[in-house]
Amino acid sequence: QKEVEQNSGPLSVPEGAIASLNCTYSDRVSQSFFWYRQYSGKSPELIMSIYSNGDKEDGRFTAQLNKASQYVSLLIRDSQPSDSATYLCAVKAGGYQKVTFGTGTKLQVIP
Amino acid sequence: DGGITQSPKYLFRKEGQNVTLSCEQNLNHDAMYWYRQDPGQGLRLIYYSQIVNDFQKGDIAEGYSVSREKKESFPLTVTSAQKNPTAFYLCASSRTSRSSYNEQFFGPGTRLTVL
Repeated sequence: QKEVEQNSGPLSVPEGAIASLNCTYSDRVSQSFFWYRQYSGKSPELIMSIYSNGDKEDGRFTAQLNKASQYVSLLIRDSQPSDSATYLCAVKAGGYQKVTFGTGTKLQVIP
Repeated sequence: DGGITQSPKYLFRKEGQNVTLSCEQNLNHDAMYWYRQDPGQGLRLIYYSQIVNDFQKGDIAEGYSVSREKKESFPLTVTSAQKNPTAFYLCASSRTSRSSYNEQFFGPGTRLTVL
């Protein structure tokens, strides 16, 4: 079983719609959760971090965390073609534990 | 202008050669990391360093070596013992590796190709 699972996609949404990206993780003691955006051929860019249950909003992005169900999601409102990228979910337990990355979901925003 | 730099952007290696990838950060971060990314796979941790003069193996350290003589620098050597080195190499740093609140920031990456 993969430690951090994401649907590889591609997830296609029309411009202006809400894109919903999901991630599940296996380690129940995970404490930190991150979403990275990676454009083709480029390095990952941190867009959101979330540490407690509930929602965290930053502009058009909302991260949602449910530790009981072991999933974290990223909502992108008013999706733009420039949002087309691969989104990586990353999870970390406390202390000196490493960050584990999912394989990413490819998002395509159709104009 | 704070950030992480990696050089070179592209690197070509012949069979049997050792090559060194550079990573420098001016964020005053204590922790630094090297990852490898292959198509269709997540980032895999090669080595990490929590502090100067200290480093630990990650999940796929075989065929790689690192040093951490300065806080700002964490070079990665890909040795001839690494049988399949063609990949995208990413360096990252964070304020600390200990805290739960440890956001990692990535450099632009080095794409290594074996000829």
